[in-house]
Order: sequence, then structure tokens, then C-alpha cells
Amino acid sequence: DIQMTQSPASLSASLGETVTIECRASEDIYSNLAWYQQKPGNSPQLLIYDANSLADGVPSRFSGSGSGTQYSLKINSLQSEDVASYFCQQYNNYPPTFGSGTKLEIK
Amino acid sequence: QVKLLQSGAALVKPGDSVKMSCKASGYTFTDYIIHWVKQSHGKSLEWIGYINPYSGGTNYNEKFKSKATLTVDKSSSTAYMEFSRLTSEDSAIYYCARADYYSYYFDYWGQGVMVTVSS
Repeated sequence: DIQMTQSPASLSASLGETVTIECRASEDIYSNLAWYQQKPGNSPQLLIYDANSLADGVPSRFSGSGSGTQYSLKINSLQSEDVASYFCQQYNNYPPTFGSGTKLEIK
Repeated sequence: QVKLLQSGAALVKPGDSVKMSCKASGYTFTDYIIHWVKQSHGKSLEWIGYINPYSGGTNYNEKFKSKATLTVDKSSSTAYMEFSRLTSEDSAIYYCARADYYSYYFDYWGQGVMVTVSS
């Protein structure tokens, strides 16, 4: 199985800041990567697919980038509603596998 | 709008089985694959498997092959997962999620079913 190593495990930032979350795959996943946001008590919601495509209805302050084994999610102008856990997921190979998550809090 | 409505929470005894449902609405049921994902408390996500509602074909994560059985009822646009021989390790939230046939990222998720295994 492809291992997805996500960092940092937790992150605290101020409103209006820019934050970046990283995900590293154990082998090349050819941009077959998605990012999800999970707010407390809710199910995950798709943010980004194909490494850099914004899902419908997702604010443009979210962006994804990367290639090969290294990927990142950037959140510009952090808002209070961005408090959540974020997960990456590769879907290049079966089984699909997820990163361990990043918990984002507001300072 | 697209919705995946899952059945309610379950409290089951060790060794028992549990069957949960995922009712789809707002789209053509057979146009998308239904996947199932496990989230243990406070932890990350594990893919269990998928079912193709059109053909009934399935694909399981090796880890869950002897544990999970996926079925579908096209007439009611409902997918089911049965989890057998439950242990405390199976206490978790189980989500169904939708993906298209070509890219296995999940664009809609159910609200989740909390399963608690306790004697």
C-alpha cells in the first residue's frame, strides 16, 4: 500500500495568516491526490482533487499544488470557519490511502 | 441536491454483526460507485471497499475482506455494508461516500454511522 505522510500533525495560526499543510507519498502518485476538510462532528468534505483542482463551492483561498511524491494544501487569509482537520488521500493505486491528518486551530 | 443518508448509530456485542445502510438521492444511483470508509475515534481514515451499483461488482481492502460484505438494492438506491465478528477494534464511525468510475476521490459523503462494540 502507498503510505501518505502528512505534516504537521497540528497547527495553530492567526486569523488572516497563510498556512500550508504537506503530504508526502511513498511512491509517485502522478497528481492523483485529494484534500478533505473535516469539521468537528461532521463528515469529510472534498476541497481539492487531482492535486490542484478546486471542488465545487470551495472558496478560492484554498489551493493545492505538487507533483510526484510531494503535495501541499495552502489556505490563504485564514478564517475562523477553517478550524478543522485536513486529510490528504491518494487514489493512484488501490487501496486508496489517507494521510494521518492535520488539526488546524486559531491562535 | 446529492445526499447520502446513512442509518443510525449501533451498539452491538462482541462477536455480533451489524448491517448499515446508505440511501442515495439527488443523482442517478448507478452512475457512481459507493465506497465505505472507517474512521476510528480521533484517528485517520481507512478505505474498506467499494460496490458498483450498476453491476454489483465489489472490491475490498485486503484488511477488511473477511470482515465486510457490501451489497446494493438498485430499486431503492440504497447501499449496505455488513460488518461481522465484531471486536472492540471495530468501534468507529463508518462513512459511505460517492466517487465516479474513473477517479476514486470522494465528492459526497454520508453523515456517518457510529458503531460501538461493547458487552
